[in-house]
Amino acid sequence: GIQVEQSPPDLILQEGANSTLRCNFSDSVNNLQWFHQNPWGQLINLFYIPSGTKQNGRLSATTVATERYSLLYISSSQTTDSGVYFCAADPNDYKLSFGAGTTVTVRA
Amino acid sequence: DAGVIQSPRHEVTEMGQEVTLRCKPISGHNSLFWYRQTMMRGLELLIYFNNNVPIDDSGMPEDRFSAKMPNASFSTLKIQPSEPRDSAVYFCASQEVGARTEAFFGQGTRLTVV
Repeated sequence: GIQVEQSPPDLILQEGANSTLRCNFSDSVNNLQWFHQNPWGQLINLFYIPSGTKQNGRLSATTVATERYSLLYISSSQTTDSGVYFCAADPNDYKLSFGAGTTVTVRA
Repeated sequence: DAGVIQSPRHEVTEMGQEVTLRCKPISGHNSLFWYRQTMMRGLELLIYFNNNVPIDDSGMPEDRFSAKMPNASFSTLKIQPSEPRDSAVYFCASQEVGARTEAFFGQGTRLTVV
């Protein structure tokens, strides 16, 4: 199956800092999603982005499908941004494979 | 829509007991998924239903696990008998597969088998 690798595994930020999370995938995809798992364990949808660029407030994402990677940008980070960010990719539009996640800690 | 609804949120059971997890998908979605999250293995797909029919159950760990979807608005994941290594968070997700839209996850059921 498709391999999904995320980097870095851990990220510690000072409040207000910007950061970039990366997701590499081993095959072409029909579906690519970014999720935030908050400290209560909830998986919150951030972006559905098999290609192109999207923005939502302080978050934005870019997927370069031809080069098999996606980036998640967090700007002006806040303590509420802490948690684990997962990238999940699917070549068939039904079987999401998750990366191991990036654990983000934002310090006040 | 209230999103994907799972119950119970937490379940503690003794080894050997039967456990049933429940899921109500988002209305109108044609596909339902059960995932399991553990520290060792991360998030992994257990089974995928499309139009209430199991399509891919290759992720179901063993015969102790079974899943059903009797109608478009309800699914169960059953473990019988449960073992301590089944302790994990179990997520249900639903999606309109084929429409190029995202999957949505429920809040999960944290299962502890003692």
